[in-house]
Amino acid sequence: GESVGLHLPTLSVQEGDNSIINCAYSNSASDYFIWYKQESGKGPQFIIDIRSNMDKRQGQRVTVLLNKTVKHLSLQIAATQPGDSAVYFCAENRGGNKLVFGAGTILRVKS
Amino acid sequence: DAGVIQSPRHEVTEMGQEVTLRCKLISGHNSLFWYRQTMMRGLELLIYFNNNVPIDDSGMPEDRFSAKMPNASFSTLKIQPSEPRDSAVYFCASSVVQGGTGELFFGEGSRLTVL
Repeated sequence: GESVGLHLPTLSVQEGDNSIINCAYSNSASDYFIWYKQESGKGPQFIIDIRSNMDKRQGQRVTVLLNKTVKHLSLQIAATQPGDSAVYFCAENRGGNKLVFGAGTILRVKS
Repeated sequence: DAGVIQSPRHEVTEMGQEVTLRCKLISGHNSLFWYRQTMMRGLELLIYFNNNVPIDDSGMPEDRFSAKMPNASFSTLKIQPSEPRDSAVYFCASSVVQGGTGELFFGEGSRLTVL
């Protein structure tokens, strides 16, 4: 099944701290995962992706960790900035670029 | 590059009216997706096309919804007749299927309100 919920969890962090956003996926056959960021009034924007043959991938200030055993994905943001405030979605690629999105997590950065 | 372009950005209509949402893909992209976003259900995939051919329309709510790609760079999503429960933000996204990273490029969305 798909992890779509009615309530978005919220993560509040102090500017400069590290943020960790978690995501559980349901389809053990999914082999490609993507994190998206959505700012208010805009469409989702690609942040980073990871394939199932990897456990970790790093980008600029962001790291994605994949634990296939427990079907868990996390996004770590280093030195969180006010501009990082947004809703963050994990998505599973179910083939042919068909992305199924999670419910999302709201990140609020306090200055 | 201008990115994915959607129109209109906002539409308010009355129940029973026809609604047409439009999307222009990024040049060179060959895959097109329509998503709907609501607070209750999040981001839902409605339909997607590869090379102008509909691949999966299992997310289309009912027969009132239809989507077309009259050419490789343009798509429409039509709702006829519209109902208040269709109120949502509709996103179009494009990507490159073969050799691509799997990244979808989203437009800014069309916010639909059906009264």
